[in-house]
Amino acid sequence: GESVGLHLPTLSVQEGDNSIINCAYSNSASDYFIWYKQESGKGPQFIIDIRSNMDKRQGQRVTVLLNKTVKHLSLQIAATQPGDSAVYFCAENNDYKLSFGAGTTVTVRA
Amino acid sequence: DTEVTQTPKHLVMGMTNKKSLKCEQHMGHRAMYWYKQKAKKPPELMFVYSYEKLSINESVPSRFSPECPNSSLLNLHLHALQPEDSALYLCASSLTGTTRNQPQHFGDGTRLSIL
Repeated sequence: GESVGLHLPTLSVQEGDNSIINCAYSNSASDYFIWYKQESGKGPQFIIDIRSNMDKRQGQRVTVLLNKTVKHLSLQIAATQPGDSAVYFCAENNDYKLSFGAGTTVTVRA
Repeated sequence: DTEVTQTPKHLVMGMTNKKSLKCEQHMGHRAMYWYKQKAKKPPELMFVYSYEKLSINESVPSRFSPECPNSSLLNLHLHALQPEDSALYLCASSLTGTTRNQPQHFGDGTRLSIL
């Protein structure tokens, strides 16, 4: 089975609001995680990553939080814009292999 | 725009045809990957090349044949495919073959349809 998964398959958010996308992982030995964004007709695009020695990392309008105690990862998007509409995948990087979660489809309402 | 370039963007082929998918990156990455992605599903790893050598084959049928001519190029040769092989085929690259703590960067894929 998958070692990384997402809690919700879909998320609808009002433009301008903050979005939170959640992901659970099962391998407690995992030490590196990535969030990808995949727009329709495109390949997965790297958003942000985090190592297990950190619990928070910030990028431009995005923040990733890692809670190793409960094996939970989240991606927060500030001031969600229409261009943020996409499928978001969390992925666990384990040596040569990326294990992807099932994905959350984010739809931004105008 | 992605730094991993895949051609063609779309491909329609019959079950008896032979075709090839191509992938190119000029980031100096030494690991390259092929993934298959079905609609509304996450990508699934097929092959890994590390320093131009095949290091991982995830039990992929022999009708898919990868090739890495040099560190910048990756091909996927297709022959006698089945309708269930219709999917988006993604190429990715990362800095080295042991991708620990290094992100993989993806191309936009080839949309393959088998008639």
